[in-house]
Amino acid sequence: EVQLVESGGGLVQPGGSLRLSCAASGFSVSNNYMSWVRQAPGKGLEWVSIIYTAGSTFYAASVKGRFTISRDNSKNTLYLQVSSLRAEDTGLYYCARGKVGVADPFDYWGQGTLVTVSS
Amino acid sequence: DIQMTQSPSSLSASVGDRVTITCRASQSIINYLNWYQQKPGKAPKLLIYAASSLQSGVSSRFSGSGSGTDFTLTISSLQPEDFATYYCQQSYNMFTFGPGTKVDIK
Repeated sequence: EVQLVESGGGLVQPGGSLRLSCAASGFSVSNNYMSWVRQAPGKGLEWVSIIYTAGSTFYAASVKGRFTISRDNSKNTLYLQVSSLRAEDTGLYYCARGKVGVADPFDYWGQGTLVTVSS
Repeated sequence: DIQMTQSPSSLSASVGDRVTITCRASQSIINYLNWYQQKPGKAPKLLIYAASSLQSGVSSRFSGSGSGTDFTLTISSLQPEDFATYYCQQSYNMFTFGPGTKVDIK
């Protein structure tokens, strides 16, 4: 059974950093592209970052230069290092697995980890 | 960047109603369009991918159509468990979600 479990969220001051983790089971993160998607309180979904199987990474303009996506194949875990945090980065951060095939949808999602940026 | 719009932003419907949600892209995305359902306090769930392909395990009352810039999600007969927010997503050039359509009980 495919499962994604995020952790690492919390309350952080503006300018601070966190490392979010997403532990995967039932498949290998190295064999699928993986993404992070966030949702501000009461708002819609915003794609944040992706790492492809070959290791290439891409970011939304709103986080480029501040966030870094990575994975540890030996731990079957996806990470998102979030730095220089701003109030507008507050939200629930989901990791999601890419479905192999057409149109690159996200077929499995974790339950999310909450990041709150506040002084 | 590709922008996505959805209409309506919300709708009220009754059990058994046929519901249609529209999604429009700011440029052609061919069929790189996916639909998700999100219930309060839950993660999004993939319903439709590549504009019209039904994700495994999803009820056949959900269907998708369209290509280019205009797409629709149709629920043929609304069930109580379908009251939720629906998002479209383009995956043609990175990823962008639409603003969502909230479906609630009339």
